[in-house]
Amino acid sequence: GAGVSQSPSNKVTEKGKDVELRCDPISGHTALYWYRQRLGQGLEFLIYFQGNSAPDKSGLPSDRFSAERTGESVSTLTIQRTQQEDSAVYLCASSYTGTGNQPQHFGDGTRLSIL
Amino acid sequence: AQSVTQPDIHITVSEGASLELRCNYSYGATPYLFWYVQSPGQGLQLLLKYFSGDTLVQGIKGFEAEFKRSQSSFNLRKPSVHWSDAAEYFCAVGGRVGDTGRRALTFGSGTRLQVQP
Repeated sequence: GAGVSQSPSNKVTEKGKDVELRCDPISGHTALYWYRQRLGQGLEFLIYFQGNSAPDKSGLPSDRFSAERTGESVSTLTIQRTQQEDSAVYLCASSYTGTGNQPQHFGDGTRLSIL
Repeated sequence: AQSVTQPDIHITVSEGASLELRCNYSYGATPYLFWYVQSPGQGLQLLLKYFSGDTLVQGIKGFEAEFKRSQSSFNLRKPSVHWSDAAEYFCAVGGRVGDTGRRALTFGSGTRLQVQP
């Protein structure tokens, strides 16, 4: 597809369960970002992948959160032992490079609801 | 560290009226500046960007923004608002951030625009 694709679009799960969110970036984009957006709030940076470099995990809120990316393709964000405060929209973005002067292209997000 | 402030959380304008959304940034060097729009249930769409050169930049959907270095501002404007412009608007600055010096965007907290008929 032409844009960033995220799946699932909605996820409802019980507290304590693990969830896995997927992001398929635009082909050829070397940089990939995950953000969290709580209801009515701005974007909170989670993690950043740039090519084959070690990811920048400085935004991950706890060790329950982890993410992987295979080469310059699909990324998965995993949240273990989910808590109610994890309820949010998780947005993925990709850019051609990670130089900071490239616009980021966003997916439509995964809306995660923890019961 | 870079930061972005959008002082208006919520703005309501009448359809056909002009619009200005404020954005102030903090960054030690020449910033890369962006405006994004987010419609309900969707991701963010790029409206326009400023890297260098002409300080007045044109974007999609009739939006424009002006970079004012002396005021550290990058305000978004539209001469005549349409009902379909109702959405959340985010200003962002790009560059090196945090202790790791990673290159990424820092977003403001957003301004929600309501359009009255």
